[in-house]
Amino acid sequence: GENVEQHPSTLSVQEGDSAVIKCTYSDSASNYFPWYKQELGKGPQLIIDIRSNVGEKKDQRIAVTLNKTAKHFSLHITETQPEDSAVYFCAASMVDSSYKLIFGSGTRLLVRP
Amino acid sequence: EAQVTQNPRYLITVTGKKLTVTCSQNMNHEYMSWYRQDPGLGLRQIYYSMNVEVTDKGDVPEGYKVSRKEKRNFPLILESPSPNQTSLYFCASTSTGSHEQYFGPGTRLTVT
Repeated sequence: GENVEQHPSTLSVQEGDSAVIKCTYSDSASNYFPWYKQELGKGPQLIIDIRSNVGEKKDQRIAVTLNKTAKHFSLHITETQPEDSAVYFCAASMVDSSYKLIFGSGTRLLVRP
Repeated sequence: EAQVTQNPRYLITVTGKKLTVTCSQNMNHEYMSWYRQDPGLGLRQIYYSMNVEVTDKGDVPEGYKVSRKEKRNFPLILESPSPNQTSLYFCASTSTGSHEQYFGPGTRLTVT
């Protein structure tokens, strides 16, 4: 079955700097890759997603890149702000056959003011 | 307001005492699922339901039961809880045609 690895497990950056979180997946049939943000005491919330027919997607300060050949995708946050501090999860799924998400282990991002 | 609700939010119980965690969504979503979140392991799917009366096992179903008698509700049942079921539990729902999963606020369960 699918396996998703996520790195780093913790990341501390200065406010205004960029943050990058990386994930790799094992099943080449996976074609949908969402990123979820979990704030303290809350459930995860979708912040951006990408499908395998696209190499990059951007939404304001957040971008996701996908390298299908390497089975690798990354979340990029630019101009980080203290409110970006949270736990971020990547996930992989096969959009045409299932709604099941396989999650990475999570990255705790701390943005220092 | 579109939301997924879970109750209770916190629960401390003893080994073997049956419990139910309720989950309800008001978005008319067909697909619902339960996850458990453990440090260093991310979220792992316990059970899911594609629609009313249709449920199936996820990756870690042992020790859990679910039911889907109504579209909006998807309770998680622990018939005989054990300490290894101490975890943070999330219910989620998704509309068919969309893959965005909407998560509830979580239920922190401690089994002593």
